[in-house]
Amino acid sequence: KAGVTQTPRYLIKTRGQQVTLSCSPISGHRSVSWYQQTPGQGLQFLFEYFSETQRNKGNFPGRFSGRQFSNSRSEMNVSTLELGDSALYLCASSLLFSEQETQYFGPGTRLLVL
Amino acid sequence: TQLLEQSPQFLSIQEGENLTVYCNSSSVFSSLQWYRQEPGEGPVLLVTVVTGGEVKKLKRLTFQFGDARKDSSLHITAAQPGDTGLYLCAGSGNSNSGYALNFGKGTSLLVTP
Repeated sequence: KAGVTQTPRYLIKTRGQQVTLSCSPISGHRSVSWYQQTPGQGLQFLFEYFSETQRNKGNFPGRFSGRQFSNSRSEMNVSTLELGDSALYLCASSLLFSEQETQYFGPGTRLLVL
Repeated sequence: TQLLEQSPQFLSIQEGENLTVYCNSSSVFSSLQWYRQEPGEGPVLLVTVVTGGEVKKLKRLTFQFGDARKDSSLHITAAQPGDTGLYLCAGSGNSNSGYALNFGKGTSLLVTP
């Protein structure tokens, strides 16, 4: 099976712009989670989608949003970019979303905001 | 607020040495996972521990979950350069976060030949 894929791998934006990142989960996986990784804060949970519904959300401002399509592919959007949004954005997929489910991570999208 | 504290933050050792990485929390987790992340890649799951006091071995890696399910350790025997990477612990099932993974900031390990 192909792993989790994320596009683009690298992105450079300027403050105030918006960005959309894409994640294709492992075939058959219905849950997609997004994480932000920075050197200062480490990996932090953004949100999780299952069957096109957001079921869980982390402590991030409303500028961060996402959605999931019927084929389980997911996108996340960040509006009005700030310098502090520079980070590695990781997507993870699992069959469901439970304590016993392994989450498989993609390689991430590295976003640089100038 | 970081629920999981990892120590040490950085570790540089020579091939053949042993090392232990710690992951501590004041919160109880239903399960705790260890990941390794290499540059330019996402984290890869090494092990999941779910029972207090549980010990799991993966070749030269030994993982232990504390009796109270608040802490964990990873011990590597005879480290090799291929062990180099960022080791992350993550807890799930905490009452405040549901099933979302709460990650520590990681231990960056460098093993030199």
